Amino acid sequence: DAGVIQSPRHEVTEMGQEVTLRCKPISGHDYLFWYRQTMMRGLELLIYFNNNVPIDDSGMPEDRFSAKMPNASFSTLKIQPSEPRDSAVYFCASSSVGVPGNTIYFGEGSWLTVV
Amino acid sequence: AQKVTQAQTEISVVEKEDVTLDCVYETRDTTYYLFWYKQPPSGELVFLIRRNSFDEQNEISGRYSWNFQKSTSSFNFTITASQVVDSAVYFCALSDQTGANNLFFGTGTRLTVIP
Repeated sequence: DAGVIQSPRHEVTEMGQEVTLRCKPISGHDYLFWYRQTMMRGLELLIYFNNNVPIDDSGMPEDRFSAKMPNASFSTLKIQPSEPRDSAVYFCASSSVGVPGNTIYFGEGSWLTVV
Repeated sequence: AQKVTQAQTEISVVEKEDVTLDCVYETRDTTYYLFWYKQPPSGELVFLIRRNSFDEQNEISGRYSWNFQKSTSSFNFTITASQVVDSAVYFCALSDQTGANNLFFGTGTRLTVIP
């Protein structure tokens, strides 16, 4: 079975540009998560969806970040305008039921560099 | 509050040596789950194991074994006869009722296996 699929794998963009990261969760999984990994803060949850509905976006750093899930098989994380401090690895993940208790499966990550 | 501590930042071992990665957690909940993930140099996060707070049985999977001790709030991970392919960053994580659908990660331990 296919795992969580993310695109792009790597992106380099200039400060001020819009960045869109894409994710396809594992088929049949009702929960989708966006995590960010940085050296300073480690792995942190940005937002998660249940059945395409955003449930908790308290981890989204600021209004420049937005996430959508228009259907069960697709989600986007958008940064507009991007800043150098947004440089990080962004992971999408999914699970079949909500944590605690169930395993979250991660994609390969999108490595973002903002110059 | 939830907290996961991985005190070992980096460990180097020679191939075929055994190595133990430490994980200490904090939670006020009686029901919680512990996880280990592996992040190889390619960057993806790979799920290794999940344990619930009511099951203190140790688990063995091939060269991997996990020791869960509630008395010391620890969930340590041992690799027996390490191999170069084991070189990666290993993350311990916790989810509990209070944290809802969030996985709280430790800061990771970078393991380098020297051939």
